[in-house]
Amino acid sequence: GAGVSQSPRYKVAKRGQDVALRCDPISGHVSLFWYQQALGQGPEFLTYFQNEAQLDKSGLPSDRFFAERPEGSVSTLKIQRTQQEDSAVYLCASSLGGAGFSPLHFGNGTRLTVT
Amino acid sequence: AQSVTQLDSQVPVFEEAPVELRCNYSSSVSVYLFWYVQYPNQGLQLLLKYLSGSTLVKGINGFEAEFNKSQTSFHLRKPSVHISDTAEYFCAVSLYNQGGKLIFGQGTELSVKP
Repeated sequence: GAGVSQSPRYKVAKRGQDVALRCDPISGHVSLFWYQQALGQGPEFLTYFQNEAQLDKSGLPSDRFFAERPEGSVSTLKIQRTQQEDSAVYLCASSLGGAGFSPLHFGNGTRLTVT
Repeated sequence: AQSVTQLDSQVPVFEEAPVELRCNYSSSVSVYLFWYVQYPNQGLQLLLKYLSGSTLVKGINGFEAEFNKSQTSFHLRKPSVHISDTAEYFCAVSLYNQGGKLIFGQGTELSVKP
């Protein structure tokens, strides 16, 4: 496909479970970003990859959150021991450039509900 | 630190009427400015951006925005809205060397009524 693909589209987890959210960026895009969007709020930055290198993880809310992009393409955001406050839409975005400004292309997101 | 304030959480407007969605930002350094639109159950789509140069920028779907440095504002306008413009609109900023690390406002829900 031509766009950023995220899976699953919806995820329901019981409190304490681990979850893994997948992002397939646009082919050839160097940069990949994860954002968290709580209900009724704007997205908040979580982490940034340039190829396989995680250059910024300052937005990850706790050490329960972990992201990887081992081959510089697909990325996975993992949340361990989920809590209710983790309920949100997780957005992935990719861009062609590695520095400066290059337009971000967002996926449709994964809606995580922790019960 | 940078921050973005969208002054209206909801803006109802009738079809073919003009609309302005307000955005103010705070930053001690120069920033890039953006407006994104989010349709229900979809990801964000870039409407327009201000990087440098002319302070009046035009985007997709007939939207435009004006950068006002003295008032630290970047308000979005459209002279005549359509039903299809109903969506959530987000203003965002980023630092010059962190183009993809966006700081978003809380969003404005634009509701266009017939």
